[in-house]
Amino acid sequence: NFMLVQPHSVSESPGKTVTISCTGSSGSIGSNSVQWHQQRPGRGPTTLIYDENQRPSGVPDRFSASIDSSSNSASLTISGLKTEDEADYYCQSYDFNNYVIFGGGTKLTVL
Amino acid sequence: QVQLQESGPGLVKPSETLSLICTVSGGSISSYFWTWIRQPPGKGLEWIGYISYSGITNYNPSLNSRVTISVDTSNNHFSLSLPAVTAADTAVYYCARLRRLTPPTFDYWGQGALVTVSS
Repeated sequence: NFMLVQPHSVSESPGKTVTISCTGSSGSIGSNSVQWHQQRPGRGPTTLIYDENQRPSGVPDRFSASIDSSSNSASLTISGLKTEDEADYYCQSYDFNNYVIFGGGTKLTVL
Repeated sequence: QVQLQESGPGLVKPSETLSLICTVSGGSISSYFWTWIRQPPGKGLEWIGYISYSGITNYNPSLNSRVTISVDTSNNHFSLSLPAVTAADTAVYYCARLRRLTPPTFDYWGQGALVTVSS
């Protein structure tokens, strides 16, 4: 079964840049669309990135994403960190049956 | 602005059926695709299944034999039915819209509804 593996947690200081990885267990993550979703404490998820690096309106350009086919991984980069960015971040893709697959989530602490 | 709102009982007894409705406002349900996701307390997101406005479904194989998602275009809502629940089904249940089905691409999410399975 196709899985997406994320680090359990990351931390960084305000104003800095942080990158969250999402590694595919098999196949080629580059051939699948990867989305990223943000879930602030006590809130429902919202979509941050779709179609590899497109942002819905209202999402600042401090958030960007990329794919590294050589390591079969996707990455979410947040620059100019703010305390409000403290949240759980989930990558999401799909498998050959078009089943939706979520990564386990990464807790970002901004300290 | 499209909004989704989950509704249903917050407490369900073991072995009974969990039923939730997601009401869509600010847009028609008769286009796009609609999906349910759940999140057990302190854990990550788990996809349950999706349905097209025409009624085509696809379910998480780990729940396939138990879950039913249906759409009611006249009332602009879609529903989730999960029979024979156990404590493991305790979770916050989210509904969401898929702007595209292949690949599944999320855009709008509901706020979530906590469902506790307990006697």
